Amino acid sequence: ETGVTQSPTHLIKTRGQQVTLRCSSQSGHNTVSWYQQALGQGPQFIFQYYREEENGRGNFPPRFSGLQFPNYSSELNVNALELDDSALYLCASSWGFGLQETQYFGPGTRLLVL
Amino acid sequence: KNEVEQSPQNLTAQEGEFITINCSYSVGISALHWLQQHPGGGIVSLFMLSSGKKKHGRLIATINIQEKHSSLHITASHPRDSAVYICAVGNTDKLIFGTGTRLQVFP
Repeated sequence: ETGVTQSPTHLIKTRGQQVTLRCSSQSGHNTVSWYQQALGQGPQFIFQYYREEENGRGNFPPRFSGLQFPNYSSELNVNALELDDSALYLCASSWGFGLQETQYFGPGTRLLVL
Repeated sequence: KNEVEQSPQNLTAQEGEFITINCSYSVGISALHWLQQHPGGGIVSLFMLSSGKKKHGRLIATINIQEKHSSLHITASHPRDSAVYICAVGNTDKLIFGTGTRLQVFP
């Protein structure tokens, strides 16, 4: 049990809609990162936030955006959903700055876009 | 060519066997992570390495920075070790994942 929670666990949306996924980090973790994992693939890094500022981004378009709040919660927002956005979305938090710290993963949100 | 390559992609073993999973990468890194993912999606961090070797129970991870290679070893494998093992390399602002090695250990 890592103490990192995500909501919802499952979600179905239609193409063109917008979605907000939520993550609650372990208390004291200043960094949160988000990942997309398509079926049968390894995770892909979307972005990370450190103390509420975006610090590093993978190859994802601007319609993927995020927020990190002072209470160790964060959001991943995806606008104009496409069928290929169907995936497991994982968040992970860590103590310090950057991704060279041990990552504590949440259970993920499984998104299906129809 | 992927920046992080894992081998083998699939691995089956009998209970008790010694298992090795390999990871090679082509980018500069500050740390390498070994992760375990069970069916259903949950990911657990096993190790985070920047040099040398780490051991936790039956698991051992090594890294050779000069050769850009890491190995994950499982001694006395058990059916509960069945999972996907993922290597990820990172620096301060990016984490790159391998596609994973699917391990099945049969009793």
